[in-house]
Amino acid sequence: MQLVESGGKLEQPGRSLRLSCVASGFTFDDYAMHWVRQVPGKGLEWVSGISWNSGSTGYADSVKGRFTISRDSAKNSLHLQMNSLRAEDTALYFCAKSGHYDFWSGSFDVWGQGTVVTVSS
Amino acid sequence: EIVLTQSPGTLSLSPGDRATLSCRASQTVSGRGSIAWYQQKPGQAPRLLISGTSSRATGIPDRFRGSGSGTDFTLIITSLEPEDFAVYHCQHYGGLVTFGGGTKVEIK
Repeated sequence: MQLVESGGKLEQPGRSLRLSCVASGFTFDDYAMHWVRQVPGKGLEWVSGISWNSGSTGYADSVKGRFTISRDSAKNSLHLQMNSLRAEDTALYFCAKSGHYDFWSGSFDVWGQGTVVTVSS
Repeated sequence: EIVLTQSPGTLSLSPGDRATLSCRASQTVSGRGSIAWYQQKPGQAPRLLISGTSSRATGIPDRFRGSGSGTDFTLIITSLEPEDFAVYHCQHYGGLVTFGGGTKVEIK
């Protein structure tokens, strides 16, 4: 089982960025997926989650209204559309697989290596 | 939202020692809620150790033991191996997902 993130880069405040995560080695459609971020040297922060069928999504208060999570079953991929970027969004962003179909449930049993987002002028 | 507080921030121990890590929740973890533990080494992604408070993930050695209920949860590493020196994160799931601030287990 593998998750590979991409899309991270240096971007200016107020601009947009789209992260992607491609899954392999498991039945992508059977599981909820999540984004988690980490500022270097700090703890983990849950960002967003989506259920197996995209029927339910959730967001941390810090990103609600600015970020949108989505998934594409045809391409086994997860996405995070990040709008109105702020300096405090700077972090390493991990894609993670839930052990459950519902994003409210399940621990995260597979993680990608992350993609770095830097927001600075 | 359940806030998780991990203590201590840093634990300085020697190989062979027993490590006891604490994770305290701001309110009772009940119903669908549960606690997981992750290990993270420098430059790596977190790795799931324990889910459902006490169930070891696939391939995790039995020296890792999770326990607890209510607001107090514990991860015990019964005898530290050299590869166990890392940062450990607790997580609440089954509702809004939250993480604790982490405990670093370092070599004394």
